[in-house]
Amino acid sequence: GAVVSQHPSRVICKSGTSVKIECRSLDFQATTMFWYRQFPKQSLMLMATSNEGSKATYEQGVEKDKFLINHASLTLSTLTVTSAHPEDSSFYICSADDRGSEKLFFGSGTQLSVL
Amino acid sequence: AQKVTQAQTEISVVEKEDVTLDCVYETRDTTYYLFWYKQPPSGELVFLIRRNSFDEQNEISGRYSWNFQKSTSSFNFTITASQVVDSAVYFCALSGFNAGKSTFGDGTTLTVKP
Repeated sequence: GAVVSQHPSRVICKSGTSVKIECRSLDFQATTMFWYRQFPKQSLMLMATSNEGSKATYEQGVEKDKFLINHASLTLSTLTVTSAHPEDSSFYICSADDRGSEKLFFGSGTQLSVL
Repeated sequence: AQKVTQAQTEISVVEKEDVTLDCVYETRDTTYYLFWYKQPPSGELVFLIRRNSFDEQNEISGRYSWNFQKSTSSFNFTITASQVVDSAVYFCALSGFNAGKSTFGDGTTLTVKP
């Protein structure tokens, strides 16, 4: 079945540095990918919709300059957390919509810890 | 606005028991989609089912079954003869045509004890 690969699975960084997270659809083309944030024992909150070849669409309250999204190809979207701070520590998950199967596939998530 | 309520925060059962996870939703859309996902301790969400608002047929897949009641805006999920491997957080979600822009419930943590 369709697979979405997300890397890295875990990253620890110092405050003020930037971190890039990759999300790849391995066997289908995804014109649209999605980025979520999940705090411990809480639900997923959609951060933004990543559109191939165009600007991402951010949900209300999400800083677009803080969370840079690039969807350079039909199989790759990246989320860069710029100038990370401890409050950015969270579990970040991406997903891609395989329109052919009408299923939404999720990456395995990235646990970001900012010291 | 859309809303998904999973009233059960945590459920604990003993292996082989049946368990039902409740999901109630609110939407003004006439066409919408409902989902269930499983999130094991590893973190990756696993798609379980997608159901559109025009299809109220119940569905069974192995030990899993889903009961969609449009009249009560509910989409409940039952696991029959639960197993330890079923232990996970289960999310119910609601979306329009775009599944990625789903509204998720808060999740139900299911613990199946041997």
